[in-house]
Amino acid sequence: DSGVTQTPKHLITATGQRVTLRCSPRSGDLSVYWYQQSLDQGLQFLIHYYNGEERAKGNILERFSAQQFPDLHSELNLSSLELGDSALYFCASSVGVGLAGETQYFGPGTRLLVL
Amino acid sequence: DAKTTQPNSMESNEEEPVHLPCNHSTISGTDYIHWYRQLPSQGPEYVIHGLTSNVNNRMASLAIAEDRKSSTLILHRATLRDAAVYYCILMYSGGGADGLTFGKGTHLIIQP
Repeated sequence: DSGVTQTPKHLITATGQRVTLRCSPRSGDLSVYWYQQSLDQGLQFLIHYYNGEERAKGNILERFSAQQFPDLHSELNLSSLELGDSALYFCASSVGVGLAGETQYFGPGTRLLVL
Repeated sequence: DAKTTQPNSMESNEEEPVHLPCNHSTISGTDYIHWYRQLPSQGPEYVIHGLTSNVNNRMASLAIAEDRKSSTLILHRATLRDAAVYYCILMYSGGGADGLTFGKGTHLIIQP
């Protein structure tokens, strides 16, 4: 158990809908990262928040957005969903701002299926 | 980011050592070498990382070549639980905010 929690574990929805994925980092960690894992693209970095502020963006679509709240939990919002958005979404946390020597701790993921 | 090259898959027997290679010929002097693994149906899990010197922890050892153009993750005594995809990742210390860049990794198969 990494100490990172994600809800829900599974989500089934229809095209065009909007969903929210939630992540609680390990106690004391200030950074939250979101990743998407699909069969064809592998694991891809989406976005990084540190202490409530956006720090870096990866391959995140404009239909996707995220935020980190004062209690440090984070939410990833996916809208106008398409079939291709079906994937595993992982959240990770680290203690600091994300320096190269830092370890990232991953949650168990949310499996999203868009029908 | 500098790229890494790993074999697609490797096979080993239970209770034997496993050496997982990674080539990173374009590594810069400030890139850290990280290893993560992903067990089936789970999120990635940190294994070990290093900069220049060899590193040991309770899970594995990391041997880094003198020129740093390659590294080897060593599992001293593989168990069935070590069957996973192993990712070798470089992180640029001058950055700090970007996420991990995962390649395809090495699928490690452990035979009983």
